[in-house]
Amino acid sequence: GQNIDQPTEMTATEGAIVQINCTYQTSGFNGLFWYQQHAGEAPTFLSYNVLDGLEEKGRFSSFLSRSKGYSYLLLKELQMKDSASYLCAVMDSNYQLIWGAGTKLIIKP
Amino acid sequence: DAGITQSPRHKVTETGTPVTLRCHQTENHRYMYWYRQDPGHGLRLIHYSYGVKDTDKGEVSDGYSVSRSKTEDFLLTLESATSSQTSVYFCAISESEEGYEQYFGPGTRLTVT
Repeated sequence: GQNIDQPTEMTATEGAIVQINCTYQTSGFNGLFWYQQHAGEAPTFLSYNVLDGLEEKGRFSSFLSRSKGYSYLLLKELQMKDSASYLCAVMDSNYQLIWGAGTKLIIKP
Repeated sequence: DAGITQSPRHKVTETGTPVTLRCHQTENHRYMYWYRQDPGHGLRLIHYSYGVKDTDKGEVSDGYSVSRSKTEDFLLTLESATSSQTSVYFCAISESEEGYEQYFGPGTRLTVT
């Protein structure tokens, strides 16, 4: 079966750095996406990785290792507004997104 | 922000009644998707469309049907609502299926009593 695993909840301090991990087992791979979802709102796109390595976009970076079925989202200089759920999703061989259950990130002052 | 709206935003209905949710886009994107989101689960694909009158089933399609008669509108119908269909429903659009992100509508919170 297809499976995406990510921690249910993480806590971090304002101004610090946090890494959210995602491991996957899917039938085929056509890219990995990270989305942010604030409570009661729609998911919004953060990043896309299809090749191994690190993609940096401002305070957010995303890493992919296809051989290990592993990705992480790195958030630097955390701000209170970063409190949200972070969703990992893999596009399978049928070009359908398989979603993890999301990681709820709590930022403390 | 991508131009994508959903209606209604909230609905309470009784078991056994039919319900139709509407997704409307102004981006002229070819692909449209309906997902449901439940606590402890990732987003799960119900149905998707890759063009006018071209639709296909997703992971959790039982009890749902869809129609797309115009590029901009994608309708999701619960033929006879059940309590297990209480959920938040998101519509998403995408320019292409490969390598392009999906943009999500604001969601519809449906409660079946």
